[in-house]
Amino acid sequence: QQQVKQSPQSLIVQKGGISIINCAYENTAFDYFPWYQQFPGKGPALLIAIRPDVSEKKEGRFTISFNKSAKQFSLHIMDSQPGDSATYFCAASTTSGTYKYIFGTGTRLKVLA
Amino acid sequence: NAGVTQTPKFRILKIGQSMTLQCTQDMNHNYMYWYRQDPGMGLKLIYYSVGAGITDKGEVPNGYNVSRSTTEDFPLRLELAAPSQTSVYFCASTEVGLGEKLFFGSGTQLSVL
Repeated sequence: QQQVKQSPQSLIVQKGGISIINCAYENTAFDYFPWYQQFPGKGPALLIAIRPDVSEKKEGRFTISFNKSAKQFSLHIMDSQPGDSATYFCAASTTSGTYKYIFGTGTRLKVLA
Repeated sequence: NAGVTQTPKFRILKIGQSMTLQCTQDMNHNYMYWYRQDPGMGLKLIYYSVGAGITDKGEVPNGYNVSRSTTEDFPLRLELAAPSQTSVYFCASTEVGLGEKLFFGSGTQLSVL
């Protein structure tokens, strides 16, 4: 029940295309859902996050879609660029005071020029 | 403002050796975390701390120990290193009011041979 399942494991997209990464969770107590981006040799960095009171959040080319009833959320990268090539992790947490996260297994995205 | 600093960046240990992974942050964050990252497994929480003198176990604490004597430092101790501890270790921190954003260090790549 504490897992966050992420798919696909890897993704190859042409430049200008749309990249879509999906995550599913079981624990209905989760109330914060971030996406982290990680470049090789670096630590993850927060990309975008959503709370379950909204169904979509957009920041530039990055959009999170959230389906509370299905317990699923996804990251959409519009107009994907080679510089977006990285590993993406979804995560979930309860804002109960410890800020502990459960991370997905990661998606390695490669955007072809 | 260096953020979260981890040392060393790389280390090779022999089975049975011990070592301490150092983590320090200069942002006055109370919340600090140790994660390990294995290929295809995402990030797993080892230990976390909500303030100086307070630590607690995460998902995978076996074989590790931590201490938190100051707000800035959160070292991770490996006793009797085993090949299963070969991984990339990330330290992270956050604070109330930062939107639950985790700030990660650049990681320590550890091999136990």
